Amino acid sequence: DAKTTQPPSMDCAEGRAANLPCNHSTISGNEYVYWYRQIHSQGPQYIIHGLKNNETNEMASLIITEDRKSSTLILPHATLRDTAVYYCIVSPAGSYQLTFGKGTKLSVIP
Amino acid sequence: DSGVTQTPKHLITATGQRVTLRCSPRSGDLSVYWYQQSLDQGLQFLIQYYNGEERAKGNILERFSAQQFPDLHSELNLSSLELGDSALYFCASSPPVGWALSTDTQYFGPGTRLTVL
Repeated sequence: DAKTTQPPSMDCAEGRAANLPCNHSTISGNEYVYWYRQIHSQGPQYIIHGLKNNETNEMASLIITEDRKSSTLILPHATLRDTAVYYCIVSPAGSYQLTFGKGTKLSVIP
Repeated sequence: DSGVTQTPKHLITATGQRVTLRCSPRSGDLSVYWYQQSLDQGLQFLIQYYNGEERAKGNILERFSAQQFPDLHSELNLSSLELGDSALYFCASSPPVGWALSTDTQYFGPGTRLTVL
């Protein structure tokens, strides 16, 4: 039972902003939105998470719509090293397990 | 580098055999999680331990077992191996938040690639 919907693939020009959408229309009030990425076959890497407010850290920004049914991960200046599969996950705090879908394969093009 | 270490990096074995994968969490993290990533199933949660006790179980087969030791390192034991067990096995850890709780911010190790021939 997929909780999130992401496009299977996206391209982004190097140096431009990469905007990765995620639909989570059935999100519950206590569920957070998490973003992880996996570069080739490396271990997944935590990027950012949020509940309802927009969040920013050194890696990315997370924009969550007011109704919380969708969100966008923004990589402000994509580099070739950002080429990876990006996973959007909704999870209640303290649920302990992350349920990964198929994610979005982002290709950053020179 | 997430601070989570896993050994070995690669493991090649035969069907019917038993293997042990090892994970050392980040310093200070009490929770350890195990995930399996195969080509057809994607990343799947197997099991979680918190400070030595099993906390949550996912799609872990009965042939698989895990434990977390007093020094907080964890081992995943896979027995009666089948061809379909060939996969990447990741360990993750997370820091404690509050008493007996963990955040969902998990830090993943580099993985162990298991090949069953």
